[in-house]
Amino acid sequence: AQSVTQLDSQVPVFEEAPVELRCNYSSSVSVYLFWYVQYPNQGLQLLLKYLSGSTLVKGINGFEAEFNKSQTSFHLRKPSVHISDTAEYFCAVSVIQGAQKLVFGQGTRLTINP
Amino acid sequence: DSGVTQTPKHLITATGQRVTLRCSPRSGDLSVYWYQQSLDQGLQFLIHYYNGEERAKGNILERFSAQQFPDLHSELNLSSLELGDSALYFCASRNYGYTFGSGTRLTVV
Repeated sequence: AQSVTQLDSQVPVFEEAPVELRCNYSSSVSVYLFWYVQYPNQGLQLLLKYLSGSTLVKGINGFEAEFNKSQTSFHLRKPSVHISDTAEYFCAVSVIQGAQKLVFGQGTRLTINP
Repeated sequence: DSGVTQTPKHLITATGQRVTLRCSPRSGDLSVYWYQQSLDQGLQFLIHYYNGEERAKGNILERFSAQQFPDLHSELNLSSLELGDSALYFCASRNYGYTFGSGTRLTVV
């Protein structure tokens, strides 16, 4: 079975500061990796995904993530955050073969302070 | 608009009642996944259908059931509702990626 651990439940940062949201996963088979964002009272929007190839993945809204197989990590970064980035961020994995359901972490609430 | 449509957006019902949540996947997507999001459990996978067939079950209670119809829309039926069933219910469809609907917020009173 797969599992995802998001190491920080809440991350407060100041506007225009850099941010890193940490994600570690566990799986005995190869996986795809995803980051989703959920704005208040909205659904889940895909930020970026790693399927194969380059380990540095660029997504929407200036976010990027790096897949590190040896450390089983997929941390999300943004060099300069804005107030509008305030949201809940979810890391997720799915196996490459089989039913491919998404397994989510518990989420990280990112709060941007002016 | 993600292309995945969920209705209704909000639902308030009493304990012991039964409700049906509906999901229409993106055009051309054969897969539908249902998830429950609650404060204490986070995002939990419930069930997966592919082209009308059940493919995988997750943490879905026996009081809950789902089906996918020939037109590929899916319905999640929740019965004998309890206060603890109050949550956001999402569906997602998948082709080369997962696309989520905006969810149905269920409140059981």
